[in-house]
Amino acid sequence: GQQVMQIPQYQHVQEGEDFTTYCNSSTTLSNIQWYKQRPGGHPVFLIQLVKSGEVKKQKRLTFQFGEAKKNSSLHITATQTTDVGTYFCAGPGGGTSYGKLTFGQGTILTVHP
Amino acid sequence: KAGVTQTPRYLIKTRGQQVTLSCSPISGHRSVSWYQQTPGQGLQFLFEYFSETQRNKGNFPGRFSGRQFSNSRSEMNVSTLELGDSALYLCASSPRAGLETQYFGPGTRLLVL
Repeated sequence: GQQVMQIPQYQHVQEGEDFTTYCNSSTTLSNIQWYKQRPGGHPVFLIQLVKSGEVKKQKRLTFQFGEAKKNSSLHITATQTTDVGTYFCAGPGGGTSYGKLTFGQGTILTVHP
Repeated sequence: KAGVTQTPRYLIKTRGQQVTLSCSPISGHRSVSWYQQTPGQGLQFLFEYFSETQRNKGNFPGRFSGRQFSNSRSEMNVSTLELGDSALYLCASSPRAGLETQYFGPGTRLLVL
């Protein structure tokens, strides 16, 4: 079935450094969603990308959807301690996962002050 | 609008027991999905209900079941609990079925002893 892989699994940065997490799918995605989960919290929707090559920005966060619609990235500029958490991508499942979202394993971001 | 609510928030059970978790979606949302989150397996889709019908089911044993009521509230049940069922169970609602943005509740943390 369709898989959504995320790398890296963990990322430790100093406050002020940049951070990027990558999401790769084994199949073409019609769209991709990004979520953030703070420690002890629940996933919160950040953004959805639909178009090939689409780039969207939310303040210091930049989201990109690959031209082939099989990969995506989330880049955070000048991280802050409030950016700590796990970032998930999620895409439509295929095969036995058809019709439902498949979440990547997530990237756990730690920001050292 | 009030967010997704889940009860109870914490639960301790012993092996062999059964448990029922409850979820109230955002007002007007008709789709409710359930996810299991563990450190090792990440976010795994359990099932989705829409208009009281199960639309999709993840790869979980039959011990995991659910239902949705006419007011869109949903319950999930796990029978014959196993140690490996210890997890955070997240409910998410969306206005429509399928691949919509997921609005997650705070989750029920289940510990099986």
